[in-house]
Amino acid sequence: IAGITQAPTSQILAAGRRMTLRCTQDMRHNAMYWYRQDLGLGLRLIHYSNTAGTTGKGEVPDGYSVSRANTDDFPLTLASAVPSQTSVYFCASALGGDQPQHFGDGTRLSIL
Amino acid sequence: AQSVTQLDSQVPVFEEAPVELRCNYSSSVSVYLFWYVQYPNQGLQLLLKYLSGSTLVKGINGFEAEFNKSQTSFHLRKPSVHISDTAEYFCAVIPGGSQGNLIFGKGTKLSVKP
Repeated sequence: IAGITQAPTSQILAAGRRMTLRCTQDMRHNAMYWYRQDLGLGLRLIHYSNTAGTTGKGEVPDGYSVSRANTDDFPLTLASAVPSQTSVYFCASALGGDQPQHFGDGTRLSIL
Repeated sequence: AQSVTQLDSQVPVFEEAPVELRCNYSSSVSVYLFWYVQYPNQGLQLLLKYLSGSTLVKGINGFEAEFNKSQTSFHLRKPSVHISDTAEYFCAVIPGGSQGNLIFGKGTKLSVKP
């Protein structure tokens, strides 16, 4: 079934550790996005990529990095996790910048 | 900067009653508008979208929304809700001429009671 796969589905991590959240899509979408969802704050954009080989910063990029080596994959890395990065992380993709975004099921991350 | 306001954080209704979830956005030359639904422990699913054309947009699950440019609103409606509509609903905007990044409202939790 075509769509977006995120891994892991959940993770508990010690502060200071490095963590990479994986996101893969098989819809050949050009654009991909990473959001974090926190209670009362809705979804906030962390980083985005309009096409393979390019990335951009969203609203809350500090402490996170991304790469887009190919069309399908868009990993999000926390270089040194902090408790404030405890959140639910969603990856999304879209055919183009003005098209509806399709979301994965999320990764629930707890930093202790 | 563009912003999206969902006026109600929670909306409780009884089954088979009509519902309206309100959404206003800050003005822009042009915008693309979306409503997403999130069921518990799931990702977001597109309900409907307005890109251009008719201001009344019909989506999945019997929902519809009306784009009102003068009032900068995009309210979501359903004439008769079901228990299964219990979820959180997000209004989102892509400002015209932007990178295409969605700006989300903070969500409205719809609780449908029997």
